[in-house]
Amino acid sequence: EAEVAQSPRYKITEKSQAVAFWCDPISGHATLYWYRQILGQGPELLVQFQDESVVDDSQLPKDRFSAERLKGVDSTLKIQPAELGDSAMYLCASSLWGALEAFFGQGTRLTVV
Amino acid sequence: RKEVEQDPGPFNVPEGATVAFNCTYSNSASQSFFWYRQDCRKEPKLLMSVYSSGNEDGRFTAQLNRASQYISLLIRDSKLSDSATYLCVVNMIEGNMLTFGGGTRLMVKP
Repeated sequence: EAEVAQSPRYKITEKSQAVAFWCDPISGHATLYWYRQILGQGPELLVQFQDESVVDDSQLPKDRFSAERLKGVDSTLKIQPAELGDSAMYLCASSLWGALEAFFGQGTRLTVV
Repeated sequence: RKEVEQDPGPFNVPEGATVAFNCTYSNSASQSFFWYRQDCRKEPKLLMSVYSSGNEDGRFTAQLNRASQYISLLIRDSKLSDSATYLCVVNMIEGNMLTFGGGTRLMVKP
């Protein structure tokens, strides 16, 4: 069964350091999402791509976060510099354009110390 | 006001009980609705879609009330394995944007 791949699974970093997460969506899925989930809360959308274009990044803290999907396939989310409040699960999901179900990767659990 | 609102719970129920969760959404242009299940420290997984006419999948029944902008999930004959967080998800087809509620935590006890 096709899966969304994310790496790393876990990341511990010191505040003010840079950190990057990688996501490889299910083959053929044009839409890719990055969500942040703080423990005890629902996922919050950070950025959505349609192929290589950003559809929505209104909730992305652009002073420190960046995301790219250069060839419209895999994607990278970067935080620089990391802050203590960035500690969370970062989830990547993908879906077929026009098909509405999204499939999630296992996530990257970030701890900033 | 959040776009998708859920009672966070927890709902503590005994095995075999029937439990219902509700979800309200604020955007009347929303077109598609889902329930996702999320186990502790795992990723969300689709439980079921919610159709206008209501739909059932085994012990699970989902209902949609567009006039009241309200979605529900009913679980009959609860099992210990149903213990999880249930996330209400709303999608506007234009932009294909998925918006999640905060989730409702269910704990089924023996």
